[in-house]
Amino acid sequence: QVQLQESGPGLVKPSETLSLTCTVSGYSLTSGYYWGWIRQPPGKGLEWIGSIYHSGTTYYNPSLKSRVTISVDTSKNQFSLKVRSVTAADTAVYYCARGEDYPNWFAPWGQGTLVTVSS
Amino acid sequence: DIVMTQSPDSLAVSLGERATINCKSSQTVLYSSNNKNYLAWYQQKPGQPPKLLIYWASTRESGVPDRFSGSGSGTDFTLTISSLQAEDVAVYYCQQYYTTPQTFGQGTRLEIK
Repeated sequence: QVQLQESGPGLVKPSETLSLTCTVSGYSLTSGYYWGWIRQPPGKGLEWIGSIYHSGTTYYNPSLKSRVTISVDTSKNQFSLKVRSVTAADTAVYYCARGEDYPNWFAPWGQGTLVTVSS
Repeated sequence: DIVMTQSPDSLAVSLGERATINCKSSQTVLYSSNNKNYLAWYQQKPGQPPKLLIYWASTRESGVPDRFSGSGSGTDFTLTISSLQAEDVAVYYCQQYYTTPQTFGQGTRLEIK
């Protein structure tokens, strides 16, 4: 049974870089599927950030593309998210999730991690 | 971007009654070459991540109770809960994956009347 778990700092200062890692268990990233990041500001809806294939091919939401990098480390069975030059608007619960294809639905999802941007 | 608009924003239904949530896309999500609607539904309970309920607009994910059903085509879709149970209290989201960027509706909050 595949499981995903996000990890990283819960507090980031404005203008700095937000960095999160998603560790996948129960499934090898090299076996396929696409792996995505989605965020949810407190009390608000869902926004797709981007997705990556195990080969390293990436897809980004154009609204965030200039500030976002997603990478994969198959040796650790992890994929990561970096968001540069963060502001308070980047405060959100960040989820990692699996997509069967791209674009596609997401299942399963990690539990999510709250990242607050504040000085 | 395809804009997904759900209605209503919130809904209160009595236990055992039918709940209906609508989702409208700003352009078609029906791919004519395979006649599939690129539309999914999720359930999100407080403090939990979204859970996939329905994909291809009407295919129930494994393990999802059969009281949940999806219908519609093109730009207009519906999620129906045939007999509301207490554990169905949640926010429900639709999502299109017809084109990038994948986009979600704003959510519909379902409560018990």
